[in-house]
Amino acid sequence: QQQVKQSPQSLIVQKGGISIINCAYENTAFDYFPWYQQFPGKGPALLIAIRPDVSEKKEGRFTISFNKSAKQFSLHIMDSQPGDSATYFCAAGWGGNKLTFGTGTQLKVEL
Amino acid sequence: NAGVTQTPKFRVLKTGQSMTLLCAQDMNHEYMYWYRQDPGMGLRLIHYSVGEGTTAKGEVPDGYNVSRLKKQNFLLGLESAAPSQTSVYFCASSSQGAGRSPLHFGNGTRLTVT
Repeated sequence: QQQVKQSPQSLIVQKGGISIINCAYENTAFDYFPWYQQFPGKGPALLIAIRPDVSEKKEGRFTISFNKSAKQFSLHIMDSQPGDSATYFCAAGWGGNKLTFGTGTQLKVEL
Repeated sequence: NAGVTQTPKFRVLKTGQSMTLLCAQDMNHEYMYWYRQDPGMGLRLIHYSVGEGTTAKGEVPDGYNVSRLKKQNFLLGLESAAPSQTSVYFCASSSQGAGRSPLHFGNGTRLTVT
């Protein structure tokens, strides 16, 4: 019940296209939903986060959409660029200190 | 402005050997974490600490020990390394806890156990 299911495992998008990564959860106690971005050889870094009282949050080209009733949330990358090529992890947090990660999506943006 | 620093960056051990991974943060964060990253399995929590002198088990604690004698440092020990511990290890810190505030990660230690 603490799992977060992430899909797809890998994704190839053309430059300028929209990248979409989906996550689903079961535990209704989750109240914090961050996305982390990881480049090769580096540690993950927080990209954007949302709490369940809002349905959407946008920061530049990155948008989180949150559907509380469906227990799903997704990351949309608009106008995808080669520099966005990285691994993306969704996560779900609860209880202040608890966080569980999805299994990651390798995104490649081709020219 | 170092953030979270992990040493060493790479290490090769033979089965049964021991080692300690060091994590240091300069952000005065209370919470510190050790994760391991394996292909297709995401990031799994090994141990964590909610303050100086405290430690707690995470999702996959077996075969590892930790200590937090100083607020800025969090050490991960492997007493008797096994090939199953071949992984990339990440340390992270957080001001208010991973479940409600950003995690700041180091750049990882790649460990190979032969």
